Amino acid sequence: GESVGLHLPTLSVQEGDNSIINCAYSNSASDYFIWYKQESGKGPQFIIDIRSNMDKRQGQRVTVLLNKTVKHLSLQIAATQPGDSAVYFCAETFSGGYNKLIFGAGTRLAVHP
Amino acid sequence: GAVVSQHPSWVICKSGTSVKIECRSLDFQATTMFWYRQFPKQSLMLMATSNEGSKATYEQGVEKDKFLINHASLTLSTLTVTSAHPEDSSFYICSARLSGGRGTDTQYFGPGTRLTVL
Repeated sequence: GESVGLHLPTLSVQEGDNSIINCAYSNSASDYFIWYKQESGKGPQFIIDIRSNMDKRQGQRVTVLLNKTVKHLSLQIAATQPGDSAVYFCAETFSGGYNKLIFGAGTRLAVHP
Repeated sequence: GAVVSQHPSWVICKSGTSVKIECRSLDFQATTMFWYRQFPKQSLMLMATSNEGSKATYEQGVEKDKFLINHASLTLSTLTVTSAHPEDSSFYICSARLSGGRGTDTQYFGPGTRLTVL
């Protein structure tokens, strides 16, 4: 079946550094992408989203970049804080899919003081 | 706003029993809710799409007779794991779709329910 993302890697960063989490998607028909943050034992929390007609979108301390040519998505977190430690998932969907989300494998972000 | 709750947050049951998990959208109405299962250190896998007033749509490989879904109102969907076995132990997460004004709906997730079958 279709899949998004890579096997679960871990990204370790120092507090205050910028973090970049990457994701590859496989469905070229996908037109809406979301990044979620999941802390241990909790449900996913929406971070930021982007439509396929955009290549960049910024939020508070976070930026999502979309490269449709290579089907790649990234999440940039500025000035990473210990509270950012969690597993981050990208998810994709397309208009014809009634918002069924396909989740990537996730990346664990570990922020060290 | 856009809060989704689940009950219970965790449950331990004996093999062969049935367990019901509730998913509620607290401050909005959701005609569509989704149920996911997540095993440790893995991603979320969609189990089924729950539509208010109609039958749920199950993903390939998910047994509809084992995972009964009822979406009786615009704020409540339930997942019943029937005749649970240890391999059904997992983290079950629901989401509720909130219709936005931009043409793209947003899913809000519940906190999850940890099911352990002994």
